[in-house]
Amino acid sequence: GAGVSQSPSNKVTEKGKDVELRCDPISGHTALYWYRQSLGQGLEFLIYFQGNSAPDKSGLPSDRFSAERTGGSVSTLTIQRTQQEDSAVYLCASSLRFHEQYFGPGTRLTVT
Amino acid sequence: AQSVTQLDSQVPVFEEAPVELRCNYSSSVSVYLFWYVQYPNQGLQLLLKYLSGSTLVESINGFEAEFNKSQTSFHLRKPSVHISDTAEYFCAVSDPRGGADGLTFGKGTHLIIQP
Repeated sequence: GAGVSQSPSNKVTEKGKDVELRCDPISGHTALYWYRQSLGQGLEFLIYFQGNSAPDKSGLPSDRFSAERTGGSVSTLTIQRTQQEDSAVYLCASSLRFHEQYFGPGTRLTVT
Repeated sequence: AQSVTQLDSQVPVFEEAPVELRCNYSSSVSVYLFWYVQYPNQGLQLLLKYLSGSTLVESINGFEAEFNKSQTSFHLRKPSVHISDTAEYFCAVSDPRGGADGLTFGKGTHLIIQP
């Protein structure tokens, strides 16, 4: 079946602009995760959704970051007023059982 | 809190030679352990996992890892590497009690296969 998909694959934006990154999880997977991969910080966990429950936002790096998940499926990660330090690859993963996470190809964000 | 240490950022190996990628973890509770592989310009793929039972786990492409609780290690090994194994390898842990904290990853080890 189809894996986790993310769009766009690449995004170049100017400093100060808002961006939206989308994740389509594997059909039927109840859990969804966002991670950030950057040269300096490695792989960082950002946020986790379980079904329609409210997420734990404590991993988000600043209040400019927000995420939502509609209907327990598609998720959007929004970064407001982007900064150069936001440049990274943003990875989404989904799982049916939380310990087996399947990752999407990522969105490479470049803030100029 | 959990942490994962991958001491080697790069490991160069000749083709058909054996390789070991080291992973140590720190946790106040029992953990699940994983190795993920990331090929160039691709996403992360689960290579193998330890949840419980036999401490030696194997993947379909010849890799194996052994959970050593006393040494808090989960080293990855392959007896004979191929050019196609060139990739970034990440060790990760998770809390068996729930997924709210996601996976905690090491910094990764870049496996470079030399012909």
